[in-house]
Amino acid sequence: GAGVSQSPSNKVTEKGKDVELRCDPISGHTALYWYRQSLGQGLEFLIYFQGNSAPDKSGLPSDRFSAERTGGSVSTLTIQRTQQEDSAVYLCASSFSGLGQGAWGANVLTFGAGSRLTVL
Amino acid sequence: AQKITQTQPGMFVQEKEAVTLDCTYDTSDPSYGLFWYKQPSSGEMIFLIYQGSYDQQNATEGRYSLNFQKARKSANLVISASQLGDSAMYFCAMREDTGTASKLTFGTGTRLQVTL
Repeated sequence: GAGVSQSPSNKVTEKGKDVELRCDPISGHTALYWYRQSLGQGLEFLIYFQGNSAPDKSGLPSDRFSAERTGGSVSTLTIQRTQQEDSAVYLCASSFSGLGQGAWGANVLTFGAGSRLTVL
Repeated sequence: AQKITQTQPGMFVQEKEAVTLDCTYDTSDPSYGLFWYKQPSSGEMIFLIYQGSYDQQNATEGRYSLNFQKARKSANLVISASQLGDSAMYFCAMREDTGTASKLTFGTGTRLQVTL
């Protein structure tokens, strides 16, 4: 697609329910990233995919959070047993490659519009 | 330790004036990239400009320029001729060349308000 697509754009759920957030990256982008932004805060890294594997999942806050990517394309971020502190905007980004190697301009991250999660 | 530090939570600038948003970084990798993103109130993250650690010249993109001082580990964003539409959050970010994974680490941001 022309840009990074995320769905749903808004999700309201009750504490304890599971949620799935979807990201469809730019076609041809091999690297995919999930970030979280709480109200008025900066971006917190969650996980990174290169192809279908996740070399860096160091930012996942707990084992309630998981993510997968299939076919080197669409990714799903799943939050189990949601808590109120999970309320945030979840941003997905993709880039041509995860490797810097000096080609920084070719590896700029393009972000989606985000999925706003509200846990009541 | 913070990898990216933005010490200005908020800045005001008058329309048509220039403004500098500060960013310092911390890394021991010789190869890294520095990026600036703009986030308007609508929430989308808009890429503005980047600088590679080996780039000899300071990056420029239209009204945006990056004042890169490697020895001081600073990468300040300069916006010339500010416009009302420049009012937004601005985030500085760094990407280290680890040879494998390469995430973008963000600072806490600076909220810029352009006034008449």
